[in-house]
Amino acid sequence: AQSVAQPEDQVNVAEGNPLTVKCTYSVSGNPYLFWYVQYPNRGLQFLLKYITGDNLVKGSYGFEAEFNKSQTSFHLKKPSALVSDSALYFCAVRDSGNTGKLIFGQGTTLQVKP
Amino acid sequence: DGGITQSPKYLFRKEGQNVTLSCEQNLNHDAMYWYRQDPGQGLRLIYYSQIVNDFQKGDIAEGYSVSREKKESFPLTVTSAQKNPTAFYLCASSTYRGEGNTIYFGEGSWLTVV
Repeated sequence: AQSVAQPEDQVNVAEGNPLTVKCTYSVSGNPYLFWYVQYPNRGLQFLLKYITGDNLVKGSYGFEAEFNKSQTSFHLKKPSALVSDSALYFCAVRDSGNTGKLIFGQGTTLQVKP
Repeated sequence: DGGITQSPKYLFRKEGQNVTLSCEQNLNHDAMYWYRQDPGQGLRLIYYSQIVNDFQKGDIAEGYSVSREKKESFPLTVTSAQKNPTAFYLCASSTYRGEGNTIYFGEGSWLTVV
């Protein structure tokens, strides 16, 4: 069965420092991986995705993610965190069956302190 | 503007009452999805539809019903059989073909049992 794990419920960083939000996955076949961000009381906003090609994927708002096949990881990164980056982040993998659905991790709350 | 519109934003349900959440998209997407979000549990798929007049149960379909009479509309009815309906409900859509296609989300609807 396909699954996604986000091992940290919360990540705390100081503004201006680099941030990493971790994600590992388990899939059969090629992984199609996504990151979304959710602000309080809002829907999910798409940040970036990995389909194929370069292992470093660049996305919205200065975020990037590194795909590592040997470690089955897809960690979200940003070189310099902003207080406005504080939100709930979800990693997801696309179902390889016919549903097309996303399978989500539990989410990681990012807290950036001034 | 193109996007996914969910309404109402807040809805209250009395015991034994059915309620319907609206979801409309003008992105010309074939596939539409309903997810439920509970704190600490990530997002779980309720129903999905890949084409008009066809829909499939997701992981937690009991107590819910949907229809897909038009490409742009995918309403969700929370029936009285759903014993714990208080949650945040998210509608999403994507083009049908291609596992790498991005799924986009609406702003969500809060349902509370009173």
